[in-house]
Amino acid sequence: GENVEQHPSTLSVQEGDSAVIKCTYSDSASNYFPWYKQELGKRPQLIIDIRSNVGEKKDQRIAVTLNKTAKHFSLHITETQPEDSAVYFCAANATGYSTLTFGKGTMLLVSP
Amino acid sequence: NAGVTQTPKFQVLKTGQSMTLQCAQDMNHEYMSWYRQDPGMGLRLIHYSVGAGITDQGEVPNGYNVSRSTTEDFPLRLLSAAPSQTSVYFCASSYSRGGAGELFFGEGSRLTVL
Repeated sequence: GENVEQHPSTLSVQEGDSAVIKCTYSDSASNYFPWYKQELGKRPQLIIDIRSNVGEKKDQRIAVTLNKTAKHFSLHITETQPEDSAVYFCAANATGYSTLTFGKGTMLLVSP
Repeated sequence: NAGVTQTPKFQVLKTGQSMTLQCAQDMNHEYMSWYRQDPGMGLRLIHYSVGAGITDQGEVPNGYNVSRSTTEDFPLRLLSAAPSQTSVYFCASSYSRGGAGELFFGEGSRLTVL
């Protein structure tokens, strides 16, 4: 099955800095790569996703890049704010596209 | 729309007891799933369903049963609770196959097994 590795497990930045979280996946047939944000005590929520026919996607301060050849994708957050502090999960779909496999998560701490 | 509703939000069980976590969605989603979240382990898929009457196992199905008699409901049953099942459980639904579109999560159910 699909295996998703996520790094780093924790990331501390100063407000205004950029943050990058990286994920690798194992199944070359995967074609959907979402990112979820989970604030403390809350449910995970989708913040951005990318499909395999696109190399990069942006939404205001967040962007995701995908390198299918290397089987890795990354989340970029620019001009970080304290409210960006949360756990971020990457995911990839498995063969058959009926399920998502999640990475173990990255705790992002943005200090004022 | 209430979205995805899970009950109960908190539950304490003794080893060997059984219980059912309820999940209901009002978005007419065909796809529903259960994940468990443990510290440092991310979200791991327990069971999923692509429509009424159809269920399948995920990554960590042992000790759990599911059924899908209606589009709206997808209960998760623990037949004989074990301390290893202490976790936060999330139900999620999607308008597409679970690996092709946004998952909408419930608020979670925190289960402690003593």
